[in-house]
Amino acid sequence: AAGVIQSPRHLIKEKRETATLKCYPIPRHDTVYWYQQGPGQDPQFLISFYEKMQSDKGSIPDRFSAQQFSDYHSELNMSSLELGDSALYFCASSSRLVKNPYEQYFGPGTRLTVT
Amino acid sequence: GQNIDQPTEMTATEGAIVQINCTYQTSGFNGLFWYQQHAGEAPTFLSYNVLDGLEEKGRFSSFLSRSKGYSYLLLKELQMKDSASYLCAPGGGATNKLIFGTGTLLAVQP
Repeated sequence: AAGVIQSPRHLIKEKRETATLKCYPIPRHDTVYWYQQGPGQDPQFLISFYEKMQSDKGSIPDRFSAQQFSDYHSELNMSSLELGDSALYFCASSSRLVKNPYEQYFGPGTRLTVT
Repeated sequence: GQNIDQPTEMTATEGAIVQINCTYQTSGFNGLFWYQQHAGEAPTFLSYNVLDGLEEKGRFSSFLSRSKGYSYLLLKELQMKDSASYLCAPGGGATNKLIFGTGTLLAVQP
């Protein structure tokens, strides 16, 4: 079965640069979530979109922005990168039209390293 | 606010049973989720409870008591591949975001 796709899988950037992370949800999933997981930390919710509209916002810095496009893929844009932004960034998707609408399927993550 | 507590680490023996407890003080959710995460990999869904009581799914079972703010994950017939972090996460609220606890790192020994 198709899974959540994230690209790139690894990204190395320097401080003050920008980065764009992409997420392609499972086909026909209507909701996308972004999580950030620092080294040795638990995943922290950043932001979510339902039907291309922002549905919730967590501890996402103002330097970050995200959107969901008409084909349901989502992009997380990160500017003025800081060393502390180095983390695994997970995208997850879910659908309200299935038996378990609450189950989130996670992508493999993008490992961002800021030097 | 959200306050989720789990033991940091646990060790168990292959073939045994282990119970991972989770206590929480949170609101606005309608389900308690358990995810498994191997180091450097994505969390994978194990189980969830919407109602109080026990949910069984193969070797994994999860229990929820909303009134006590308590859940546990029960793993039976432990295998070496079960060595991983287990994350307790209230979720399923209006926007379905997951609030993860600190996770319990389980080491299964021969």
